[in-house]
Amino acid sequence: SQTIHQWPATLVQPVGSPLSLECTVEGTSNPNLYWYRQAAGRGLQLLFYSVGIGQISSEVPQNLSASRPQDRQFILSSKKLLLSDSGFYLCAWSGRGGLSYGYTFGSGTRLTVV
Amino acid sequence: GENVEQHPSTLSVQEGDSAVIKCTYSDSASNYFPWYKQELGKRPQLIIDIRSNVGEKKDQRIAVTLNKTAKHFSLHITETQPEDSAVYFCAASLQIKTIFGAGTRLFVKA
Repeated sequence: SQTIHQWPATLVQPVGSPLSLECTVEGTSNPNLYWYRQAAGRGLQLLFYSVGIGQISSEVPQNLSASRPQDRQFILSSKKLLLSDSGFYLCAWSGRGGLSYGYTFGSGTRLTVV
Repeated sequence: GENVEQHPSTLSVQEGDSAVIKCTYSDSASNYFPWYKQELGKRPQLIIDIRSNVGEKKDQRIAVTLNKTAKHFSLHITETQPEDSAVYFCAASLQIKTIFGAGTRLFVKA
């Protein structure tokens, strides 16, 4: 069966520090991968998505970046965090094909920038 | 791009009553409409979905309806229970991308 791992679960970082969040998927090949951010009490904002190794699409201009060095690995990074980067970060995967599919989300990373 | 509006933002019902959450989408090309439930502090989980070639789908106490002409879709929960209390998100998808509504916080009072 397919599983998705996301870490760390909780992170407190000072303003201006770098960030690296990692997500890996097991039990499937060629997944579509996504990073979403959820501010406290708010909806899900699409940040990045990827349809293959090295292929990254950005939805929102900001100081975050994403990379997909391997088929089932998706990384969210920042060189210098801002206070506004605080939130709940969720990685997700979906199957690929001609149809859209529902997402399976990782357990999330709660990031607090202080 | 796609925009999804969701109403109401908060909904409080008595246990056993029905709950209805409504969404509208802007891109008529969207063809897949999933609904997610998110309990406090946890990840969203897919609870039901509907494709654009179907008008209604039911799974036990939950059902979704889709009106493609009006670009409306709704989630119906019957015989609500306290464990239905959560935030519910509607979404609209076209192939790769999924855009979410802002969420509805449902409270079911025992």
